[in-house]
Amino acid sequence: SQQGEEDPQALSIQEGENATMNCSYKTSINNLQWYRQNSGRGLVHLILIRSNEREKHSGRLRVTLDTSKKSSSLLITASRAADTASYFCATMRIQGAQKLVFGQGTRLTINP
Amino acid sequence: EAQVTQNPRYLITVTGKKLTVTCSQNMNHEYMSWYRQDPGLGLRQIYYSMNVEVTDKGDVPEGYKVSRKEKRNFPLILESPSPNQTSLYFCASSILGSIGAGNTQYFGPGTRLTVL
Repeated sequence: SQQGEEDPQALSIQEGENATMNCSYKTSINNLQWYRQNSGRGLVHLILIRSNEREKHSGRLRVTLDTSKKSSSLLITASRAADTASYFCATMRIQGAQKLVFGQGTRLTINP
Repeated sequence: EAQVTQNPRYLITVTGKKLTVTCSQNMNHEYMSWYRQDPGLGLRQIYYSMNVEVTDKGDVPEGYKVSRKEKRNFPLILESPSPNQTSLYFCASSILGSIGAGNTQYFGPGTRLTVL
């Protein structure tokens, strides 16, 4: 079954606003990663947060992780039209084969 | 430039005609993986490889084969394609670090396959 589930499935905001996307997962993880995908293209890694971290920043991105709730959020501040893309969370489990399990993604649209 | 390349980028074929999608990475990564992406289903892993001659099934391996004869290449083979294999396919690679290393995956540009 799908490990990560993003919420919302789609989000449309005005340029300059902040965008928040959430991810929930089911099993214990080693780390959680966020990826971005422009339409029809390959995924690009954005940021990784390990299970012993609670918050991480990278430029306009802020990721939080709450392992007790098995959830993560990705915040994009001061959004730009170029941020329009799909965003996926992916989890790597502690046990078992090394693999990333992806959620279904959040489609973000930034309106100029 | 560090990259993962896939060929072809687009392919239209007919049911039953064997095809191979190539994947190559120039980062000396041990780990390589194939995914398919379908609307509403996200990315699902087909097969992965942790090193040369070491491959294993992912979540949706039926109808696919892979091989890893060289570290840089990880071709995906469809022996007898069917219309339900119409999808967008991605190859990815990463280092095979220790637990906690992160192991960010680098993705190829994708191959859009249509099976008629």
